[in-house]
This record gives sequence, C-alpha cells and structure tokens, in this order.
Amino acid sequence: EAQVTQNPRYLITVTGKKLTVTCSQNMNHEYMSWYRQDPGLGLRQIYYSMNVEVTDKGDVPEGYKVSRKEKRNFPLILESPSPNQTSLYFCASSFRADYQPQHFGDGTRLSIL
Amino acid sequence: KNEVEQSPQNLTAQEGEFITINCSYSVGISALHWLQQHPGGGIVSLFMLSSGKKKHGRLIATINIQEKHSSLHITASHPRDSAVYICAVRLRGSTLGRLYFGRGTQLTVWP
Repeated sequence: EAQVTQNPRYLITVTGKKLTVTCSQNMNHEYMSWYRQDPGLGLRQIYYSMNVEVTDKGDVPEGYKVSRKEKRNFPLILESPSPNQTSLYFCASSFRADYQPQHFGDGTRLSIL
Repeated sequence: KNEVEQSPQNLTAQEGEFITINCSYSVGISALHWLQQHPGGGIVSLFMLSSGKKKHGRLIATINIQEKHSSLHITASHPRDSAVYICAVRLRGSTLGRLYFGRGTQLTVWP
C-alpha cells in the first residue's frame, strides 16, 4: 500500500531534549516536505527536499534541521526543542515537486513543555 | 500579510446545497493546490491547477490566473464533505517545491 509513515504519532517532551520525527515513503517519490499546522495560522512549510541530498528552507525553518540521505526517508530534527514548537506536524511526498497528488502522513502531535 | 487568502473562513450548508470556497492570492503563481483535511486530521490532495478547470466527482476546481482567484465547488453537498479545505500556491519565480498556504475554510454540511 502506498503510504507516508510518520513516527511518533504523539510525543510529549521537555524543552531542550533533542528529538527526531521520522518520515518514510514507499512510492519512490523525489519530493518530500515537512509542514506544521497551528490554530489560526494554518499549514506552514518548514523544509522541503527535491531529491536525495537536496533540501531547502520553507516558511518557518528556524529551530529545525532535516536531512535526505536516502530517497525514502526525510527526518525532521529538533536539536533543542522549545515550547513554541508545540504543534501538529505533517510530512508529505509526491513524485516530483509540482506533481499531483501530494501524499500526506497521518501527522505527529508534539507537545514541548 | 498572508499571500493566500481564503473565504469564507467558516461555511455551514444543508445537505444537497451547492458550495463555493474561494482562494485569492496577491502575486503571480505557477500552480495552485486544493487540499481537504478530514475531521480526524488526515490531509488529502484534491487538485493541482495552473489554468482552467478540473473536475473529480462532485468537486470542481477553477482558476482565473488574471484575476488571481480560484474556486472550489462542491455540487450536491453531503455531510461527509464536512472538512477543512485548504488552498496552497507556488508563487511565480519561487523555487519549485516551495508552497504558501491559506488558513483554510471549515465546511460543515448538515443532513
């Protein structure tokens, strides 16, 4: 089954404790992207990747890191999480950047205390 | 200021009604996406448009590049259409893959 898998689905953690949200797709997609969704602000793009070893900043990259060492995986790293990074995070992928459809993961709800 | 504006913010309809959700943007774009977010939170990609009109079942998306405006229409609406509908654009001249989002339209369809 074609899917984008995010882990964990939920996480409560404390300020400053490094965490990684994994994202994996099984569709051989070149394009992958991370978004955060906050009430009243909607979705905002954090980072995206056009292909292996090619990543670029979105709207709100501060406090986040990404890497794309293999095509299927695009982890989101919070080196020193802070409470303002409490949010709902989505990973998505598509065959190429402007191809339809974009497949979304189920979301990761992060709470940083 | 958000480059992408959606209206209305909230929309309530009776089952069977024709629904229109609007998306306008302030600068030139090269592509526009419509997404649907279910009450459980999952997001589904509905359409990508760069011109004209696309149809899938009861959903129709149109775009007018000159007027910087897109509409998503739902014919014969049903309670299962209740969701948040989100518009996203790629601005002309921006890098491929960079997307800007509207804040969404919450649609509730009553039986």
